[in-house]
Amino acid sequence: SQQGEEDPQALSIQEGENATMNCSYKTSINNLQWYRQNSGRGLVHLILIRSNEREKHSGRLRVTLDTSKKSSSLLITASRAADTASYFCATDRVGANNLFFGTGTRLTVIP
Amino acid sequence: EAGVAQSPRYKIIEKRQSVAFWCNPISGHATLYWYQQILGQGPKLLIQFQNNGVVDDSQLPKDRFSAERLKGVDSTLKIQPAKLEDSAVYLCASTDRMGSKSSYEQYFGPGTRLTVT
Repeated sequence: SQQGEEDPQALSIQEGENATMNCSYKTSINNLQWYRQNSGRGLVHLILIRSNEREKHSGRLRVTLDTSKKSSSLLITASRAADTASYFCATDRVGANNLFFGTGTRLTVIP
Repeated sequence: EAGVAQSPRYKIIEKRQSVAFWCNPISGHATLYWYQQILGQGPKLLIQFQNNGVVDDSQLPKDRFSAERLKGVDSTLKIQPAKLEDSAVYLCASTDRMGSKSSYEQYFGPGTRLTVT
């Protein structure tokens, strides 16, 4: 079964606006990762946040992690049309040795 | 460096036929994964190899799916016989992390889109 659930399922914003996506999970994790998938392509790793970290930045990306609430958020600032894609969170669950992906958020950035 | 290669990119078959997918991971990556991604869902792990050994195949429908990585490099995933519900994108991924208790970033290939009619 899939570990994470992202919300919203779909998000449409204007270019230049910020986009926030959320991920909830159910079990203890070692780390949580965010991936992007452009239409018809493979997934690309964006950022990894460890269970003992609360916030991480990478360029226009900001990820937060709240292990007490078992949730994470991905913020994309100053969005661009090229950010249009599906975004997935993936959890590295304690005791497992692979990733469990959520259902994804489909982001559309309108030029 | 070259990325993860997969072929074919697209495949259309009739139910009960057989199909095979091929994956070449990034050079030097010991760990290889096969995922199934049904439309509108996230990838689901089918099988994980470390070198030529299977680490996890608990989600692989072994009555019809098989996979091998004989020399610890390339891998093939086979479905025999295919069912309508096997229509999906099959993704291969690799990582250079091994022997670790934590998973790290995975590098994905472009996937093979399978349509079973």
